[in-house]
Amino acid sequence: QQPVQSPQAVILREGEDAVINCSSSKALYSVHWYRQKHGEAPVFLMILLKGGEQKGHEKISASFNEKKQQSSLYLTASQLSYSGTYFCGTEDSGNTPLVFGKGTRLSVIA
Amino acid sequence: KAGVTQTPRYLIKTRGQQVTLSCSPISGHRSVSWYQQTPGQGLQFLFEYFSETQRNKGNFPGRFSGRQFSNSRSEMNVSTLELGDSALYLCASSLPSDTQYFGPGTRLTVL
Repeated sequence: QQPVQSPQAVILREGEDAVINCSSSKALYSVHWYRQKHGEAPVFLMILLKGGEQKGHEKISASFNEKKQQSSLYLTASQLSYSGTYFCGTEDSGNTPLVFGKGTRLSVIA
Repeated sequence: KAGVTQTPRYLIKTRGQQVTLSCSPISGHRSVSWYQQTPGQGLQFLFEYFSETQRNKGNFPGRFSGRQFSNSRSEMNVSTLELGDSALYLCASSLPSDTQYFGPGTRLTVL
């Protein structure tokens, strides 16, 4: 089942913080976060695994609440380059395909 | 290391035609997944190949098919194109159960 992302869209001024949430109705094995700029491919940001392991960019932070089947992506001190659509993808187990949410459109303005 | 490459980048076809899209994964990656991206539906999983075998398949009609070659390159084919098949088709490669890296996509327009 498709995870639900919130908010659908957000506008920030440079330097402001934002949180993007991803919720699933099923138990999760992992959550993957990507950012896609208009006309470009999605770029990997972070992967969070059941059990606490994380891999990703140093400047990006995220959490994964296994009990609530939720993940949150934290964007601090936003920059213009953070603009794009953020997708979370979830896995039920290690060998199931990623199911992506519909995305959160983030716009950072000067 | 070179990234994932997809060819062609743009395609225009008419209803009823068929199309073949190609994906070359990152060197050493044996898993290739395909996704369809549309404004209304977002990123939807088509299928995944690993070592020339289809490992997972999404909920798409049989008109959508794919294959993977021994060098891990993959192709997907859509037969009897419909207007609703217009989309960005993305390919992603990975090591087994690891991060997926996406290619730039093929923009398919069906007239």
